[in-house]
Amino acid sequence: DGGITQSPKYLFRKEGQNVTLSCEQNLNHDAMYWYRQDPGQGLRLIYYSQIVNDFQKGDIAEGYSVSREKKESFPLTVTSAQKNPTAFYLCASSIGTPNTGELFFGEGSRLTVL
Amino acid sequence: SQKIEQNSEALNIQEGKTATLTCNYTNYSPAYLQWYRQDPGRGPVFLLLIRENEKEKRKERLKVTFDTTLKQSLFHITASQPADSATYLCALLSNSGYALNFGKGTSLLVTP
Repeated sequence: DGGITQSPKYLFRKEGQNVTLSCEQNLNHDAMYWYRQDPGQGLRLIYYSQIVNDFQKGDIAEGYSVSREKKESFPLTVTSAQKNPTAFYLCASSIGTPNTGELFFGEGSRLTVL
Repeated sequence: SQKIEQNSEALNIQEGKTATLTCNYTNYSPAYLQWYRQDPGRGPVFLLLIRENEKEKRKERLKVTFDTTLKQSLFHITASQPADSATYLCALLSNSGYALNFGKGTSLLVTP
C-alpha cells in the first residue's frame, strides 16, 4: 500500500543533542512538508519542498534543517538550537501544490526532550 | 495578519444529531478550503475540498459550505455516530501558494 512512513514514532532526546526524524513516501509525490503540532495548537509549517534538491522555510524554520536528496525522502533534523523541541511532528506529501488536492500525512513522530 | 479561527471549545452532541463546526478566516483570498479529520496521536486525514465557486459540497454524511463574503466555512456531519468523535481541522493555502495553513481544530464528541 502507498503511503507515508515516519520514524521513529516516539523519540527521547537530551538537551543539546541533534535528532533526525525520518519521512519516506512511496506515493510518487513531488511535494513534501514538515509540520509541528503542540497541544491545543494548530499545525505550524516548518519546511516544505516542491522538488528534489530544493526546499523552502516555513513559518517556524529556526532550529530545524532538512534535505531532499531523493524524491521519496524528506528527513528533518531538530538541532540543539531549537529552544523548545518537544512536540508532535507530522510529515506530509502532495502530488503538486495543494491547490487541487489533498495533503497525505504520516502517523507522526513524538519528540520529547528530557 | 492571516488567521484561521475554529471553535476552541469542544462540541458535544448526541448520536443521531447533526454536528456543525465553524471555520472563519481573515486576510485570505482563498480559491478553496479543505477539511481534515485528526484522531488522537495520529496524522490528519483529508475529508473534503471546496472551491470558491462551490457554495456547498457533500460526501456521504458530510456537508461543507463556503461563503467567501462572510469568510466562513461550515462543516456538517449528519446522523452523527460515536465513531465521528475526533478533531476536525480546516485549512487554507498560505501566502507562499505552496503549503497549507491550518486552524487549531475543533474537538467533536458524539455520545451514544
